[in-house]
Amino acid sequence: GAVVSQHPSWVICKSGTSVKIECRSLDFQATTMFWYRQFPKQSLMLMATSNEGSKATYEQGVEKDKFLINHASLTLSTLTVTSAHPEDSSFYICSASGVPLGYEQYFGPGTRLTVT
Amino acid sequence: AQSVTQPDIHITVSEGASLELRCNYSYGATPYLFWYVQSPGQGLQLLLKYFSGDTLVQGIKGFEAEFKRSQSSFNLRKPSVHWSDAAEYFCAVGVAGNQFYFGTGTSLTVIP
Repeated sequence: GAVVSQHPSWVICKSGTSVKIECRSLDFQATTMFWYRQFPKQSLMLMATSNEGSKATYEQGVEKDKFLINHASLTLSTLTVTSAHPEDSSFYICSASGVPLGYEQYFGPGTRLTVT
Repeated sequence: AQSVTQPDIHITVSEGASLELRCNYSYGATPYLFWYVQSPGQGLQLLLKYFSGDTLVQGIKGFEAEFKRSQSSFNLRKPSVHWSDAAEYFCAVGVAGNQFYFGTGTSLTVIP
């Protein structure tokens, strides 16, 4: 149980375009989802926290207009990178917690974004 | 402010040898503590967690960790390492609001 999927697993897009990444909880209700960014050989940096049906809470320094997060249902959250630039290239990982997991977070496999 | 420190950036051990990965945290209240493992290009897999109770917790794949409040530590151990254990290991502290703070990770190399 407690499986989180992400789609796509990797994506290449041109500078200036937008790309959407989906995060789904497959066998539980994700009341809270988290989006992280990970640079090579580095730790995970929390970008934002989203609760189902509410606006996401962004960490300091994360541009909310650039990284649009939607958590419209208990099984789906999306991260849209708008007007992507090469510096947005990174590994994006989502995680989810909820019913009946409680406090634990379960992580998706990640999405590798490359902006050319 | 809360923080997590993993002092060892990289560790190399021989297959069959014992392993200990260090983790120290800074948090004002009783923390929720986690160890995750990440294989290259993959997400994170939960190895074990500590919420309360017995300070020695058992996890998957033969891993265990001990919470020592006096030392603010939550070190991960395994008595005999397998080649498949080579990966990146992250310690995390969970705080109010379900937010997690991760250490910088320890890269484990296993030599035959």
